Amino acid sequence: DADVTQTPRNRITKTGKRIMLECSQTKGHDRMYWYRQDPGLGLRLIYYSFDVKDINKGEISDGYSVSRQAQAKFSLSLESAIPNQTALYFCATSDLVGGKGETQYFGPGTRLLVL
Amino acid sequence: GESVGLHLPTLSVQEGDNSIINCAYSNSASDYFIWYKQESGKGPQFIIDIRSNMDKRQGQRVTVLLNKTVKHLSLQIAATQPGDSAVYFCAENRRSSGSARQLTFGSGTQLTVLP
Repeated sequence: DADVTQTPRNRITKTGKRIMLECSQTKGHDRMYWYRQDPGLGLRLIYYSFDVKDINKGEISDGYSVSRQAQAKFSLSLESAIPNQTALYFCATSDLVGGKGETQYFGPGTRLLVL
Repeated sequence: GESVGLHLPTLSVQEGDNSIINCAYSNSASDYFIWYKQESGKGPQFIIDIRSNMDKRQGQRVTVLLNKTVKHLSLQIAATQPGDSAVYFCAENRRSSGSARQLTFGSGTQLTVLP
């Protein structure tokens, strides 16, 4: 009954291949995000979307693309995978409520290995 | 430059003792702060948040303190338990442009609870 799900959970691919990571949420949030996490480093933002028609680049968008198919779905693509894209990828959602700020809720992660 | 960082990358505490995890931030425009816990193999999980108009907020066994004068944030965990072993991230949230908000994560502190 997870609110934010990611598929696949683990993926091994070869250099040059195109792959897609998928994220679905049942929280009803408008905002969705893709991050990558490397060992010993914090989370770095790849892309984010504030609603279905809104896509924004994050800190490290080169080599990635995204698609917001519906409010509940946000997919991340690696057009031509390279070894330094080996990382743990997280999807997150948030809903800005009453000017409070923004708490993001994370999926379980996808571990990607590019050979 | 703008950054969110942690004073210590690792922290070991005895079971039952209190833990204090520190975080420094440099952007005075940040107005909302969040602590996340990440257990091995899982996504970050929201613990507690605090707005900049507060200097202390308490949850269940956790307290967050905010010192805006020195741009310092801390997470206190009372009576630390083995299940508290994880990486803890602080994140700062600020308005970036228009209605958009930006969330920046620190690199994390590994908390280890010793028996």
